[in-house]
Amino acid sequence: KAGVTQTPRYLIKTRGQQVTLSCSPISGHRSVSWYQQTPGQGLQFLFEYFSETQRNKGNFPGRFSGRQFSNSRSEMNVSTLELGDSALYLCASSPIQGAGTDTQYFGPGTRLTVL
Amino acid sequence: AQKITQTQPGMFVQEKEAVTLDCTYDTSDPSYGLFWYKQPSSGEMIFLIYQGSYDQQNATEGRYSLNFQKARKSANLVISASQLGDSAMYFCAMSPLSSNTGKLIFGQGTTLQVKP
Repeated sequence: KAGVTQTPRYLIKTRGQQVTLSCSPISGHRSVSWYQQTPGQGLQFLFEYFSETQRNKGNFPGRFSGRQFSNSRSEMNVSTLELGDSALYLCASSPIQGAGTDTQYFGPGTRLTVL
Repeated sequence: AQKITQTQPGMFVQEKEAVTLDCTYDTSDPSYGLFWYKQPSSGEMIFLIYQGSYDQQNATEGRYSLNFQKARKSANLVISASQLGDSAMYFCAMSPLSSNTGKLIFGQGTTLQVKP
């Protein structure tokens, strides 16, 4: 089975712009979660989607949004980019939703640089 | 509040030796899952091992084992026979079952360097 794929892998934007990141989960996985990783804050949960519904959201401003499509692919969008949004954005998929025992498998990440 | 603490920012180990990476957690949830992930310099998070809070036995996966001490709220990762390819950042994470979501709470990570 193919793993979690994320596109693009690298992105450079300027302040004020917006960006859309894409994540394709492992085939058959219905849950997708997004995490932001920075040197200062570490790994922080952004949101989780299951069956096109946002199930949980982390403590991030409204500039961060996401969605999930019927084929379980997910996108996240960041509007009005700030320098502090520079980070590695990781997407993870798991087979079912809501089970703490359910292992999440991560993609390679999208490294976003905001200038 | 739920929290994961990894007190070792960096560790060194000689090739072929065993190493223990520490992880303590704080949660009021009676049921939870504990995970360890490896993150090489490429950035991808690689799942290593899982331990459920009600599992009676410590989890093992090849050279990885989890030393789970529930009363002490610790879930240390033991890597046996270290290899050069084990050099990476290691994250301990927790998912409370009661939250009914897959949200993972991560520690700050431990950087492991394996010396030849």
